[in-house]
Amino acid sequence: DTEVTQTPKHLVMGMTNKKSLKCEQHMGHRAMYWYKQKAKKPPELMFVYSYEKLSINESVPSRFSPECPNSSLLNLHLHALQPEDSALYLCASSRQATNSYEQYFGPGTRLTVT
Amino acid sequence: GNSVTQMEGPVTLSEEAFLTINCTYTATGYPSLFWYVQYPGEGLQLLLKATKADDKGSNKGFEATYRKETTSFHLEKGSVQVSDSAVYFCALSDGNQFYFGTGTSLTVIP
Repeated sequence: DTEVTQTPKHLVMGMTNKKSLKCEQHMGHRAMYWYKQKAKKPPELMFVYSYEKLSINESVPSRFSPECPNSSLLNLHLHALQPEDSALYLCASSRQATNSYEQYFGPGTRLTVT
Repeated sequence: GNSVTQMEGPVTLSEEAFLTINCTYTATGYPSLFWYVQYPGEGLQLLLKATKADDKGSNKGFEATYRKETTSFHLEKGSVQVSDSAVYFCALSDGNQFYFGTGTSLTVIP
Protein backbone atom coordinates (compact mmCIF):
# COMPACT_ATOMS: atom_id res chain seq x y z
CA ASP A 1 0.00 0.00 0.00
CA THR A 2 1.54 3.29 -1.14
CA GLU A 3 -1.33 5.54 -0.19
CA VAL A 4 -1.15 8.97 1.36
CA THR A 5 -4.54 10.39 2.26
CA GLN A 6 -5.46 14.04 2.70
CA THR A 7 -8.55 15.75 4.05
CA PRO A 8 -10.45 17.76 3.14
CA LYS A 9 -10.32 17.53 -0.64
CA HIS A 10 -11.57 21.10 -1.03
CA LEU A 11 -11.57 23.99 1.44
CA VAL A 12 -12.89 27.52 1.13
CA MET A 13 -12.00 29.89 3.95
CA GLY A 14 -12.14 33.56 4.71
CA MET A 15 -9.10 35.58 5.65
CA THR A 16 -10.05 35.57 9.35
CA ASN A 17 -10.79 31.86 9.61
CA LYS A 18 -8.71 29.15 11.25
CA LYS A 19 -8.68 25.76 9.57
CA SER A 20 -6.47 22.68 9.41
CA LEU A 21 -5.37 20.33 6.67
CA LYS A 22 -4.72 16.70 7.55
CA CYS A 23 -2.47 14.08 6.03
CA GLU A 24 -2.03 10.42 6.93
CA GLN A 25 0.18 7.56 5.78
CA HIS A 26 0.53 3.98 7.01
CA MET A 27 3.63 2.94 5.11
CA GLY A 28 5.94 3.30 8.11
CA HIS A 29 7.62 6.29 6.49
CA ARG A 30 9.61 8.54 8.81
CA ALA A 31 9.68 11.65 6.64
CA MET A 32 6.65 13.76 5.75
CA TYR A 33 6.39 16.88 3.65
CA TRP A 34 4.07 19.78 2.86
CA TYR A 35 4.18 21.33 -0.61
CA LYS A 36 2.26 24.20 -2.16
CA GLN A 37 1.41 24.00 -5.85
CA LYS A 38 0.04 26.84 -7.95
CA ALA A 39 -1.65 26.17 -11.27
CA LYS A 40 0.70 25.03 -14.05
CA LYS A 41 3.71 25.14 -11.69
CA PRO A 42 5.78 22.47 -9.95
CA PRO A 43 5.30 21.83 -6.23
CA GLU A 44 7.16 24.18 -3.87
CA LEU A 45 8.50 22.68 -0.66
CA MET A 46 7.15 24.25 2.54
CA PHE A 47 8.09 21.96 5.43
CA VAL A 48 9.87 18.68 6.09
CA TYR A 49 9.40 16.49 9.15
CA SER A 50 11.97 13.82 9.85
CA TYR A 51 11.25 11.37 12.69
CA GLU A 52 8.46 13.68 13.82
CA LYS A 53 10.76 16.67 14.17
CA LEU A 54 10.65 19.72 11.91
CA SER A 55 13.86 19.61 9.89
CA ILE A 56 13.20 22.08 7.07
CA ASN A 57 11.08 25.23 7.01
CA GLU A 58 11.46 26.96 3.66
CA SER A 59 10.87 30.47 5.03
CA VAL A 60 7.12 29.95 5.11
CA PRO A 61 5.01 32.75 6.68
CA SER A 62 3.88 32.09 10.23
CA ARG A 63 0.22 32.00 9.16
CA PHE A 64 1.07 28.39 8.15
CA SER A 65 1.83 26.22 11.17
CA PRO A 66 2.76 22.56 10.71
CA GLU A 67 2.35 19.84 13.30
CA CYS A 68 3.36 16.19 13.37
CA PRO A 69 1.47 14.46 16.22
CA ASN A 70 2.93 11.04 15.40
CA SER A 71 4.81 9.22 12.68
CA SER A 72 1.64 8.64 10.61
CA LEU A 73 -0.03 12.03 10.83
CA LEU A 74 0.82 15.49 9.58
CA ASN A 75 -1.30 18.61 10.00
CA LEU A 76 -1.07 22.08 8.54
CA HIS A 77 -2.84 24.75 10.61
CA LEU A 78 -3.98 27.81 8.69
CA HIS A 79 -4.77 31.22 10.16
CA ALA A 80 -5.26 34.69 8.67
CA LEU A 81 -4.45 33.56 5.15
CA GLN A 82 -4.30 35.82 2.13
CA PRO A 83 -5.98 35.31 -1.26
CA GLU A 84 -2.57 34.58 -2.79
CA ASP A 85 -2.35 31.52 -0.54
CA SER A 86 -5.04 29.87 -2.67
CA ALA A 87 -3.40 26.78 -4.16
CA LEU A 88 -3.26 22.99 -4.10
CA TYR A 89 -1.58 21.80 -0.90
CA LEU A 90 0.14 18.46 -1.27
CA CYS A 91 1.37 16.15 1.43
CA ALA A 92 4.06 13.57 0.71
CA SER A 93 5.97 10.93 2.62
CA SER A 94 9.15 8.93 2.12
CA ARG A 95 10.99 6.21 3.99
CA GLN A 96 13.50 8.76 5.26
CA ALA A 97 14.30 12.39 4.49
CA THR A 98 17.81 11.43 3.38
CA ASN A 99 19.26 8.88 0.94
CA SER A 100 17.11 9.96 -2.02
CA TYR A 101 14.10 7.78 -1.27
CA GLU A 102 11.14 8.39 -3.54
CA GLN A 103 8.32 10.53 -2.22
CA TYR A 104 4.70 9.41 -2.34
CA PHE A 105 2.14 12.16 -2.70
CA GLY A 106 -1.44 12.48 -1.53
CA PRO A 107 -4.24 13.79 -3.77
CA GLY A 108 -4.00 17.27 -2.29
CA THR A 109 -6.34 19.80 -0.72
CA ARG A 110 -7.59 22.52 -3.05
CA LEU A 111 -7.64 25.67 -0.89
CA THR A 112 -9.46 28.85 -1.84
CA VAL A 113 -9.05 31.93 0.35
CA THR A 114 -11.79 34.54 -0.10
CA GLY B 1 23.20 24.50 -7.20
CA ASN B 2 21.02 21.59 -8.19
CA SER B 3 18.38 22.07 -10.87
CA VAL B 4 16.26 20.28 -13.44
CA THR B 5 15.39 21.58 -16.90
CA GLN B 6 12.48 20.14 -18.85
CA MET B 7 11.37 20.76 -22.39
CA GLU B 8 8.72 23.42 -22.76
CA GLY B 9 5.19 22.30 -23.39
CA PRO B 10 2.47 21.86 -24.13
CA VAL B 11 2.97 18.74 -26.22
CA THR B 12 0.10 17.44 -28.35
CA LEU B 13 0.31 13.99 -29.94
CA SER B 14 -2.02 11.66 -31.78
CA GLU B 15 -2.84 8.33 -30.20
CA GLU B 16 -0.15 5.67 -30.83
CA ALA B 17 2.53 8.29 -31.53
CA PHE B 18 6.01 8.08 -30.00
CA LEU B 19 6.65 10.31 -26.99
CA THR B 20 9.87 11.92 -25.83
CA ILE B 21 10.01 14.49 -23.05
CA ASN B 22 13.50 15.86 -22.53
CA CYS B 23 14.96 16.36 -19.08
CA THR B 24 18.47 17.48 -18.17
CA TYR B 25 19.88 18.13 -14.76
CA THR B 26 22.64 19.94 -12.90
CA ALA B 27 23.83 18.40 -9.68
CA THR B 28 26.88 17.76 -7.59
CA GLY B 29 27.54 14.20 -6.56
CA TYR B 30 25.29 11.34 -7.62
CA PRO B 31 21.62 12.29 -7.50
CA SER B 32 18.66 9.97 -7.93
CA LEU B 33 16.30 10.84 -10.77
CA PHE B 34 12.53 10.50 -10.99
CA TRP B 35 9.59 11.06 -13.28
CA TYR B 36 6.25 11.94 -11.72
CA VAL B 37 2.89 12.27 -13.48
CA GLN B 38 0.00 14.48 -12.39
CA TYR B 39 -3.46 13.88 -13.82
CA PRO B 40 -5.98 16.75 -13.71
CA GLY B 41 -7.20 17.46 -10.20
CA GLU B 42 -4.88 14.91 -8.57
CA GLY B 43 -1.59 14.71 -6.72
CA LEU B 44 1.71 13.57 -8.18
CA GLN B 45 2.24 9.87 -8.84
CA LEU B 46 5.67 8.30 -9.07
CA LEU B 47 6.06 6.99 -12.60
CA LEU B 48 9.63 5.66 -12.55
CA LYS B 49 13.03 6.23 -10.99
CA ALA B 50 16.74 5.56 -11.48
CA THR B 51 19.33 5.77 -8.75
CA LYS B 52 22.64 5.47 -10.59
CA ALA B 53 24.24 6.04 -13.97
CA ASP B 54 23.02 3.75 -16.80
CA ASP B 55 20.01 2.59 -14.76
CA LYS B 56 16.82 2.36 -16.78
CA GLY B 57 13.56 3.03 -14.99
CA SER B 58 10.37 1.69 -16.56
CA ASN B 59 6.67 1.52 -15.76
CA LYS B 60 3.41 1.31 -17.73
CA GLY B 61 5.28 1.43 -21.06
CA PHE B 62 7.28 4.52 -20.08
CA GLU B 63 11.03 4.36 -19.70
CA ALA B 64 13.96 6.66 -18.99
CA THR B 65 17.71 6.03 -18.78
CA TYR B 66 20.03 7.84 -16.37
CA ARG B 67 22.78 9.25 -18.62
CA LYS B 68 25.57 10.76 -16.56
CA GLU B 69 27.67 11.73 -19.57
CA THR B 70 24.89 13.93 -20.96
CA THR B 71 23.26 14.68 -17.55
CA SER B 72 19.93 13.62 -18.98
CA PHE B 73 16.91 11.50 -18.04
CA HIS B 74 14.58 11.71 -21.04
CA LEU B 75 11.13 10.10 -20.76
CA GLU B 76 9.96 7.92 -23.66
CA LYS B 77 6.95 5.85 -24.60
CA GLY B 78 6.52 3.96 -27.81
CA SER B 79 2.78 4.38 -28.27
CA VAL B 80 0.82 6.93 -26.25
CA GLN B 81 -2.85 6.62 -25.33
CA VAL B 82 -5.48 9.24 -24.59
CA SER B 83 -5.27 8.21 -20.94
CA ASP B 84 -1.61 9.38 -20.85
CA SER B 85 -2.77 13.00 -21.07
CA ALA B 86 -1.30 14.64 -17.96
CA VAL B 87 1.52 16.85 -16.71
CA TYR B 88 4.89 15.13 -16.36
CA PHE B 89 7.53 16.34 -13.88
CA CYS B 90 11.18 15.35 -13.92
CA ALA B 91 12.85 15.53 -10.50
CA LEU B 92 16.14 14.86 -8.79
CA SER B 93 17.06 14.15 -5.21
CA ASP B 94 20.49 14.94 -3.81
CA GLY B 95 19.73 13.04 -0.61
CA ASN B 96 18.43 16.12 1.18
CA GLN B 97 15.84 17.68 -1.06
CA PHE B 98 13.81 17.14 -4.21
CA TYR B 99 14.21 19.52 -7.15
CA PHE B 100 11.39 19.52 -9.69
CA GLY B 101 11.39 20.62 -13.29
CA THR B 102 8.71 23.02 -14.47
CA GLY B 103 6.51 20.24 -15.84
CA THR B 104 5.48 19.30 -19.38
CA SER B 105 1.80 19.12 -20.28
CA LEU B 106 0.92 16.28 -22.64
CA THR B 107 -2.36 16.02 -24.53
CA VAL B 108 -3.06 12.90 -26.59
CA ILE B 109 -5.84 13.20 -29.14
CA PRO B 110 -7.75 10.22 -30.57
